[in-house]
Amino acid sequence: DAGVTQSPTHLIKTRGQQVTLRCSPISGHKSVSWYQQVLGQGPQFIFQYYEKEERGRGNFPDRFSARQFPNYSSELNVNALLLGDSALYLCASSRPSVQGGELFFGEGSRLTVL
Amino acid sequence: SQQGEEDPQALSIQEGENATMNCSYKTSINNLQWYRQNSGRGLVHLILIRSNEREKHSGRLRVTLDTSKKSSSLLITASRAADTASYFCATDRETGYSTLTFGKGTMLLVSP
Repeated sequence: DAGVTQSPTHLIKTRGQQVTLRCSPISGHKSVSWYQQVLGQGPQFIFQYYEKEERGRGNFPDRFSARQFPNYSSELNVNALLLGDSALYLCASSRPSVQGGELFFGEGSRLTVL
Repeated sequence: SQQGEEDPQALSIQEGENATMNCSYKTSINNLQWYRQNSGRGLVHLILIRSNEREKHSGRLRVTLDTSKKSSSLLITASRAADTASYFCATDRETGYSTLTFGKGTMLLVSP
């Protein structure tokens, strides 16, 4: 089975532009989460979606938005890009479990803002 | 914000030696997980330990959890050059949706 796939793998934008990142979860996984990883830091939680509904949101400005589609794939949008948005954006999928469970990560989309 | 703090920030050892990484966190948790990341790529799940467990093993990995001290340790025995990577602990406070809070990680270098 295919793992979590993300696109694009690398992209370069300029300040003020907008970007859309895409993620396809592992087949059968209905939950998708987005994380931002700045160089030298651990990943920071941005959003989580389950069954197309937002289930959690991290401490990020309203310039960040996301959605989940009926096939459980997801998009992360970032508007009015700032230099500080340069990071590796990671998507993860999981099967929700009352006891919690592991996340399966994609290889990430590396965004550079100039 | 980062929930966990790994210690040390960097660790350099020889092949065959054991590597121990520690993680401290601040709030109550549902479970604690360890992940590995090679060269800024995607994270790979290593092991999950629940709040009511004290120790867990998986192959060459041994994880301990002390909820009274809010700390965990990851031991990799008989390290190999291929174990060179960054290791992150992540805490999960929620039940059901695995919203993880990661530490800053420990960079492990295993020399042949």
